[in-house]
Amino acid sequence: AQTVTQSQPEMSVQEAETVTLSCTYDTSESDYYLFWYKQPPSRQMILVIRQEAYKQQNATENRFSVNFQKAAKSFSLKISDSQLGDAAMYFCAYRSGYANFGNEKLTFGTGTRLTIIP
Amino acid sequence: ETGVTQSPTHLIKTRGQQVTLRCSSQSGHNTVSWYQQALGQGPQFIFQYYREEENGRGNFPPRFSGLQFPNYSSELNVNALELDDSALYLCASSASGSYNSPLHFGNGTRLTVT
Repeated sequence: AQTVTQSQPEMSVQEAETVTLSCTYDTSESDYYLFWYKQPPSRQMILVIRQEAYKQQNATENRFSVNFQKAAKSFSLKISDSQLGDAAMYFCAYRSGYANFGNEKLTFGTGTRLTIIP
Repeated sequence: ETGVTQSPTHLIKTRGQQVTLRCSSQSGHNTVSWYQQALGQGPQFIFQYYREEENGRGNFPPRFSGLQFPNYSSELNVNALELDDSALYLCASSASGSYNSPLHFGNGTRLTVT
């Protein structure tokens, strides 16, 4: 079974600064996908960024980028130019690349609460 | 484009009762998944429905059951409620088989069991 570990329950960053959230995972599969989701107080899980394991290039979405280290099974999220609206719970998630059609479960970590200091 | 909607927003039930939570998928999505998120935890996969059949289940007892309807909306039913069932229940939809269609989540239903 796959596991996802987020070792930082809480993080804080000054507005406009850069912060990195850590995530490690354990799997014996070679084909998989990794995701970062954001959950603000509204409770809706919002996809921030995703990475295919077969791609060596790290994914980037505007101010959000990842550092994907496949051998180390590490998948960290870097948020640049932090904004007040970035304050939320951030969850790292894993999805098997071998999932059957219609069976595409996500395995989540326990989350990191990010606070932005004005 | 209509997103994923869940009802009700909040619910309070007594131990031993039964509850039904509802979810309407995003337009064009044919797969619905349900997750349980206990306080301070990450979401845990309950099950997924595709073409009105359960297709994948997490480590949840049979008293957690579901339905998917021809319009791809879904229900989550929980029988014989226990105190530990108190959680946020999230519904997510996707266009199955397409990696370019990731899960889209609703705002969840907060269930409190007393």
